[in-house]
Amino acid sequence: KAGVTQTPRYLIKTRGQQVTLSCSPISGHRSVSWYQQTPGQGLQFLFEYFSETQRNKGNFPGRFSGRQFSNSRSEMNVSTLELGDSALYLCASSLEQTNTEAFFGQGTRLTVV
Amino acid sequence: QKEVEQNSGPLSVPEGAIASLNCTYSDRVSQSFFWYRQYSGKSPELIMSIYSNGDKEDGRFTAQLNKASQYVSLLIRDSQPSDSATYLCAVKKNRGSTLGRLYFGRGTQLTVWP
Repeated sequence: KAGVTQTPRYLIKTRGQQVTLSCSPISGHRSVSWYQQTPGQGLQFLFEYFSETQRNKGNFPGRFSGRQFSNSRSEMNVSTLELGDSALYLCASSLEQTNTEAFFGQGTRLTVV
Repeated sequence: QKEVEQNSGPLSVPEGAIASLNCTYSDRVSQSFFWYRQYSGKSPELIMSIYSNGDKEDGRFTAQLNKASQYVSLLIRDSQPSDSATYLCAVKKNRGSTLGRLYFGRGTQLTVWP
């Protein structure tokens, strides 16, 4: 059974640009959540999608957005990149929202220069 | 008050010893509990999940849950140098507006020395 797949694995972008990251969950999983990980802040919750609807959103500016498609694949977009957006972006998928395990993809390492 | 707190590290144990990692959570509606292992530069890997009070064993790993005390722990028996990593405690709630979200502790860095 394939795991969670995130693409691309690495990205280098310039300040002011925008970026789109992709996440393909484990087959059959309907909940996809996104996290940002930096050395100083640890794992910070971005948002969670279930059945194509954003159910939860973390404390991030509106430059961070996402969506989920009918096949449960999800994308997140960051516009007007700032240096502080450099981080490891992680996607996790779960069968359901509650009482089920969440599995992470390998992450996308974003560097903003 | 933070949702999830882990005992401050780093934790260093000799090979073959038992490593004990602890975690407390603040919200009683938390019903699903997880331990992740994260190697430097890698993504978190799920190693244990526990949903009811008591112990759950999987190989060298034992997770313990005490809902009355709002406390979760992970024991690693016969620790190996390959267990050296950061261990993250995470919880999910089964009620309220934040379903589906994992709340993480800051992690405990474990070093197992030969």
